[in-house]
Amino acid sequence: EIVLTQSPATLSLSPGDRATLSCRASQSVSSDLAWYQQKPGQPPRLLIYDASNRATGIPARFSGSGSGTDFTLTISSLEPEDFAVYFCQQRSTWPPLFTFGPGTKVDIK
Amino acid sequence: QVQLQESGPGLVKPSQTLSLTCTVSGASISSGGYYWSWTRQHPGKGLEWIGHIYYGANTHYDPSLKSRVTMSIDTSKNQFSLRLSSVTAADTAVYYCAREDRYWFDPWGQGTLVTVSS
Repeated sequence: EIVLTQSPATLSLSPGDRATLSCRASQSVSSDLAWYQQKPGQPPRLLIYDASNRATGIPARFSGSGSGTDFTLTISSLEPEDFAVYFCQQRSTWPPLFTFGPGTKVDIK
Repeated sequence: QVQLQESGPGLVKPSQTLSLTCTVSGASISSGGYYWSWTRQHPGKGLEWIGHIYYGANTHYDPSLKSRVTMSIDTSKNQFSLRLSSVTAADTAVYYCAREDRYWFDPWGQGTLVTVSS
């Protein structure tokens, strides 16, 4: 089973700051990694797939990078609506097992 | 625009079976091309994949839940369902359905809280 770890657990920043979130896989997942944003009381929302492709309707301030075992989600300039929890996610090829990272909470400093 | 909506009892007694349904609009499950998934989130915790099903009833379940999980599709209603047997308090969670595209999940339903309690 591939384990995803995320760091930091909490990121305290101000609007306008740049946020850099990390996701590390216990073994290579190539570029098959997705990122989600979740706000309280809401389902996760897909932000990034294939490590660096923005999902439909996602603002350009969100970007993803990385491959293999190390991935980064960057929010170039935090907007008030960006304060949320962010999860990374991958799928093992066979048998298909889907795992999520524990999440990084981006809160207001 | 594809939308998913979970429905089912919000309260289930210990040892009984949790049954949820996800109604899909804006897309036809029988068209194929996608798996349809269930994921849960324990209160204040992370996300746990439960399993998925493809039109034609091909299923895969997380090994930790496999012995208790059954998924099915009702194409006449464009719905897919989850049954989780022998529930305990540890199964209390928000349950989400979602469409799976290759390996990512989009869109998701709003989620439904299921509490296991006598």
